[in-house]
Amino acid sequence: KAGVTQTPRYLIKTRGQQVTLSCSPISGHRSVSWYQQTPGQGLQFLFEYFSETQRNKGNFPGRFSGRQFSNSRSEMNVSTLELGDSALYLCASSAEGQYYGYTFGSGTRLTVV
Amino acid sequence: DQQVKQNSPSLSVQEGRISILNCDYTNSMFDYFLWYKKYPAEGPTFLISISSIKDKNEDGRFTVFLNKSAKHLSLHIVPSQPGDSAVYFCAASARSGGYQKVTFGTGTKLQVIP
Repeated sequence: KAGVTQTPRYLIKTRGQQVTLSCSPISGHRSVSWYQQTPGQGLQFLFEYFSETQRNKGNFPGRFSGRQFSNSRSEMNVSTLELGDSALYLCASSAEGQYYGYTFGSGTRLTVV
Repeated sequence: DQQVKQNSPSLSVQEGRISILNCDYTNSMFDYFLWYKKYPAEGPTFLISISSIKDKNEDGRFTVFLNKSAKHLSLHIVPSQPGDSAVYFCAASARSGGYQKVTFGTGTKLQVIP
C-alpha cells in the first residue's frame, strides 16, 4: 500500500513569488491535512480537506490556500511568498473515523530567498 | 491558545536508561492521545496511542501513561537506544463539528547518547 506522496521534496523560491505543493494521500483516505513545521513552533495546522471541501482551517493568512480534487489529491498554494514562509510543509492523510491519527508524507522543504 | 504543550524542547539521555517525555493538555474534551516520532527530512510517524478511558498503554519499549485529573501524559522509552534520537510530538484528538480534530504539541527533541 503506497504511502502519502508529496512533491516536490525541495523547493527554492524568491520572495514575492507563489508556490504550489502537491500531496497524494493513501488510497481510500478522503481526509488530507496540511501542516507547517518550523524550528521551535512544532506542527502548525494549516487546513484540512475532506471530500473536496475545506472543513477546518488554522490561523494562517489568506496567502495560504488549498484545494482537494475528486481523487482526494490535494494542493496547497502560497502566494506572495515571504522569508518567514520557509519551512517544512507536511501533508497527512487519514480515513474517516480513524482514531489512531494520521499518516504523514515526507514533506516539502520550501526555502524562500 | 496552545491546547497541547510540550514544555521541554530537548532531552538528553544515556543509552540504556529511561527516557521520559512529557505532555500537558488543557482541553478536557480530548478523547484520544497519540505520540509521533520524527526524523530530520522525514514526516512524523505514528508511535503509540492511548484512549482517554485507559491510563496506560504499552508497546514493546514504549509505554504511554495518561493522568486525566492532571491533564498530563507521558511517554516512557525503556531502554533508550541511539536510534530513538528524534523529535517526539504529542497529539490529542477530540470530536469537533462531527469529526475528529487533532492538535499537536511543539515537540521534544530526544538525544540518546551512546
